[in-house]
Amino acid sequence: QSALTQPASVSGSPGQSITISCTGTSSDVGGYNYVSWYQQHPGKAPKLMIYEVSNRPSGVSNRFSGSKSGNTASLTVSGLQAEDEADYYCSSYTSSSTLVFGGGTKLTVL
Amino acid sequence: QVQLVESGGGLVKPGGSLRLSCAVSGFTFSDYYMSWIRQAPGKGLEWVSYISTSGSTIYYADSVKGRFTISRDNAKNSLYLQMNSLRAEDTAVYYCTTLHFYGMDIWGQGTTVTVSS
Repeated sequence: QSALTQPASVSGSPGQSITISCTGTSSDVGGYNYVSWYQQHPGKAPKLMIYEVSNRPSGVSNRFSGSKSGNTASLTVSGLQAEDEADYYCSSYTSSSTLVFGGGTKLTVL
Repeated sequence: QVQLVESGGGLVKPGGSLRLSCAVSGFTFSDYYMSWIRQAPGKGLEWVSYISTSGSTIYYADSVKGRFTISRDNAKNSLYLQMNSLRAEDTAVYYCTTLHFYGMDIWGQGTTVTVSS
């Protein structure tokens, strides 16, 4: 159950777009369309932003989008806003029927 | 409104036990898979366990297998996590969540478990 690989940090200016990658293997990210993304502000519980690679739950801004190519999933945040500054985590279903998270990425809005 | 409320956290000595509970309201609990996620201080999220709607399907992370037991009572709209043989590395905030297409879509506020002598 090795963690998925995410960059430790990304940054962007207001209005710009950023992409966070989440790299796994063919036994998790590459093998299933069960990749999810979570946003966590300091001291708060995480919030689901994307599920099944690219689906947005009701109420989540369409500035957030997800995609996948091979063993790497990506979260794109367009039109960056100050409130987007947070930690972001990806997760995936695995071939062992377990779940695994990425190490997390800190998004800084400059 | 939709709500998940965890309880049962606290300070426990290494080797001790705790039972976490998660009380659910605002949706049909028996329709949802449920999971426990934890977050050690200053660290990332770690999946701990999940359970199917009926309780017949259960999976655990290797780090807790054999020590933790997940269960549910659909009549009481409650999810549980029995934690035995606790270690310092089990210190974390424990969140209960619903599981929808293997995404954790509703989260509780978390309960803190501290394992220390």
